[in-house]
Amino acid sequence: DSGVTQTPKHLITATGQRVTLRCSPRSGDLSVYWYQQSLDQGLQFLIPYYNGEERAKGNILERFSAQQFPDLHSELNLSSLELGDSALYFCASSVDFRSGGETQYFGPGTRLLVL
Amino acid sequence: GESVGLHLPTLSVQEGDNSIINCAYSNSASDYFIWYKQESGKGPQFIIDIRSNMDKRQGQRVTVLLNKTVKHLSLQISATQPGDSAVYFCAESKETSGSRLTFGEGTQLTVNP
Repeated sequence: DSGVTQTPKHLITATGQRVTLRCSPRSGDLSVYWYQQSLDQGLQFLIPYYNGEERAKGNILERFSAQQFPDLHSELNLSSLELGDSALYFCASSVDFRSGGETQYFGPGTRLLVL
Repeated sequence: GESVGLHLPTLSVQEGDNSIINCAYSNSASDYFIWYKQESGKGPQFIIDIRSNMDKRQGQRVTVLLNKTVKHLSLQISATQPGDSAVYFCAESKETSGSRLTFGEGTQLTVNP
């Protein structure tokens, strides 16, 4: 158990809908990162947050957005869902946000299925 | 119908043998490397990391080797056990990208009893 929690574990929804995924980082960690893992793309970095502020984005689509709240939990919002958005979404956390890399600890993921 | 997905490299070893999983990285500016283990249905689990000012680092039953000349990373697992069966990912990060990790395609390790 990494100490990172994610809810829900599974989510089934329809195309065009909007969902919110939630992540709580390990105690003491200030940074949260979102990743998408799909069968044909592997693990893709989406977006990072440090102490409530967004940092340099990765491959996040404009239909997706995220935020980190004062209590450091984070939410990833996915809207106008398409079939291709079906994937595992992981949250990871680290103590800091340091240039040159930080050890990131991953949560168990949310499996999203868009029908 | 046709299946679409990543075709992972595979490595099959006997229980008790040593395993070596290799990873080639592309960005010579990368200065932090990390190995993760992912079991089916679970999130990636941290194994070991190494910075570019080192060429070897050891953990419990694992060793990571970094060869910056040929941009190659390897993970050695000693006395491999059935519980080591999983997909192993290497990931890299470079100073100018903050803490963004770029993941490799992964290697499926199967340990036969």
